[in-house]
Amino acid sequence: QSVLTQPPSASGTPGQRVTISCSGSSSNIGSNTVNWYQQLPGTAPKLLIYSNNQRPSGVPDRFSGSKSGTSASLAISGLQSEDEADYYCAAWDDSLNGWVFGGGPKLTVL
Amino acid sequence: QLQLQESGPGLVKPSETLSLTCTVSGGSISSSSSYWGWIRQPPGKGLEWIGNIYYGGSTYYNSSLKSRVTISVDTSKNQFSLNLSSVTAADSAVYYCARHKENIYFGHMDVWGKGTTVIVSS
Repeated sequence: QSVLTQPPSASGTPGQRVTISCSGSSSNIGSNTVNWYQQLPGTAPKLLIYSNNQRPSGVPDRFSGSKSGTSASLAISGLQSEDEADYYCAAWDDSLNGWVFGGGPKLTVL
Repeated sequence: QLQLQESGPGLVKPSETLSLTCTVSGGSISSSSSYWGWIRQPPGKGLEWIGNIYYGGSTYYNSSLKSRVTISVDTSKNQFSLNLSSVTAADSAVYYCARHKENIYFGHMDVWGKGTTVIVSS
């Protein structure tokens, strides 16, 4: 059971816009920034979004992040087949005094 | 370009201590804006943060593992290490090392190793 709640899965067709949600509490998302990681099959996670909505160099602007209250969202526009991956949200939790992750739903491109 | 590489035994017996090392190349482990951490992923499951260390020695551990975890740093070798004691089958996972950039509370893990698989079995 993950501290941050994400849907078990997500899907979309090529070219579509999809969003993946991440729900937390006042001790994590509500008071700290959110990062998003993309994990392609059989590979290590890769930083996708940091500080709620910042993209590292090299990440396409098709990926965007937002945060409101105790929830965050990752949006992917112009969906491509290579976007098929697991997507994890993460935040520091003040009560647990550590980093917590969401369940990492698998995004399927139909 | 900063790179991280995990190394260590792929098989550990139950009740023994799991020991892994992460070698940092292309940059200094003594960087003031970097923390160094371990994350694991059991087969078919999600990511679990294990802990972080600063080159000066400050450590931050997952409370659920704290009694069994020690993370240390060797600045002369540009390496940091993970020791997890009294392992059980539940500790079988892919173990990743990563650089945590900026503040430990507000930062992000921007560089990851490729991961190493550890199986706990007799």
